[in-house]
Amino acid sequence: AQSVTQLDSHVSVSEGTPVLLRCNYSSSYSPSLFWYVQHPNKGLQLLLKYTSAATLVKGINGFEAEFKKSETSFHLTKPSAHMSDAAEYFCVVSGTGGFKTIFGAGTRLFVKA
Amino acid sequence: DTAVSQTPKYLVTQMGNDKSIKCEQNLGHDTMYWYKQDSKKFLKIMFSYNNKELIINETVPNRFSPKSPDKAHLNLHINSLELGDSAVYFCASSQEISSNDWATNYGYTFGSGTRLTVV
Repeated sequence: AQSVTQLDSHVSVSEGTPVLLRCNYSSSYSPSLFWYVQHPNKGLQLLLKYTSAATLVKGINGFEAEFKKSETSFHLTKPSAHMSDAAEYFCVVSGTGGFKTIFGAGTRLFVKA
Repeated sequence: DTAVSQTPKYLVTQMGNDKSIKCEQNLGHDTMYWYKQDSKKFLKIMFSYNNKELIINETVPNRFSPKSPDKAHLNLHINSLELGDSAVYFCASSQEISSNDWATNYGYTFGSGTRLTVV
């Protein structure tokens, strides 16, 4: 069975400091993993995805995530937060071959000036 | 040029009414979905359609009926609206060519959502 856990419901950082949003997954097979961002009153936008190629994945807006099979993690990072990064972030596990798409509960990122 | 567009963006209606939400995608994707997001931001799959055929109906009440006239459109009709139906409904599409579930290797493209409020 698959599952995904976002370890923090809220993360608060100051503008210009690094961002770390944590995601652990559980899967019997090699999954596909995604991060989505949802700004207030907007739809979800795909930030990046891992589909068994390079373990370090670069996405839009300076975000990147590293797939660590040994730790079953797919944490999202950004070197320097910007005010416009304030949003809800969702980690998602999926993949064809009997998988389902499971959304994490979300992490709300606050960015302080 | 919006990739996945939903209408209306906001919908306020009384209990017992029937309403529809429309969704269109211009990405040429074969698979479309309806998701419901509750007040705690939790996202739950409702339906998955692949090339106009229903693939997934994930324990959704019969009051909800999706309709796909062609693979670019997936509409959602809701009968006898209840207070608990208040939520944000998202349409999405993906590149999966065939699917017997709602798994994806490509990821979804989401619409901007329809905020339904039942009073």
